[in-house]
Amino acid sequence: GAVVSQHPSWVICKSGTSVKIECRSLDFQATTMFWYRQFPKQSLMLMATSNEGSKATYEQGVEKDKFLINHASLTLSTLTVTSAHPEDSSFYICSARAQGNTEAFFGQGTRLTVV
Amino acid sequence: GEDVEQSLFLSVREGDSSVINCTYTDSSSTYLYWYKQEPGAGLQLLTYIFSNMDMKQDQRLTVLLNKKDKHLSLRIADTQTGDSAIYFCAESGTGGGNKLTFGTGTQLKVEL
Repeated sequence: GAVVSQHPSWVICKSGTSVKIECRSLDFQATTMFWYRQFPKQSLMLMATSNEGSKATYEQGVEKDKFLINHASLTLSTLTVTSAHPEDSSFYICSARAQGNTEAFFGQGTRLTVV
Repeated sequence: GEDVEQSLFLSVREGDSSVINCTYTDSSSTYLYWYKQEPGAGLQLLTYIFSNMDMKQDQRLTVLLNKKDKHLSLRIADTQTGDSAIYFCAESGTGGGNKLTFGTGTQLKVEL
């Protein structure tokens, strides 16, 4: 299957700082990328859907000014957690889908810890 | 909105079959998926089934879909210790690969 890479795999940051997470499709063009958040022992909650070159569509309850998503190219989407707080600590996972495909491929996830 | 439910935990002995169940509420679901997540890792797609099918088999995996009851199951034959993981079912509405709604996940523990 296709490969989606997230970077970094884990990050620890101080409260109040911003953190950027990258999601790259390595061997295909991802017209759509999805960002999920997963709390310990819980399911994945979709945060937003982004299509290349357009603004992301956020799910209800997700603050668009806090979780900035950029999908400027067909192989890269970024999620920036601005002014991070301890309650933002979570596992963030992206997935990417090529146009016309039914399958979305997942990255390995990024463990964010805010101290 | 859509809701997808799974039992939280399943324990089986190595060599036995495992059956993980999932129920969903969205009658317009087009595709239903099973993903595997190992500790600290992303999701690996195991298999998926189109909503007009009632069964799909892929090596040790068998997916059964009862669309009338909105019930999906994943059977793993000859379960191995390497199958220990969390298994998520997910459904997508019309349009196939559009956003997925995930179940709560089932922790499968395989004992010797």
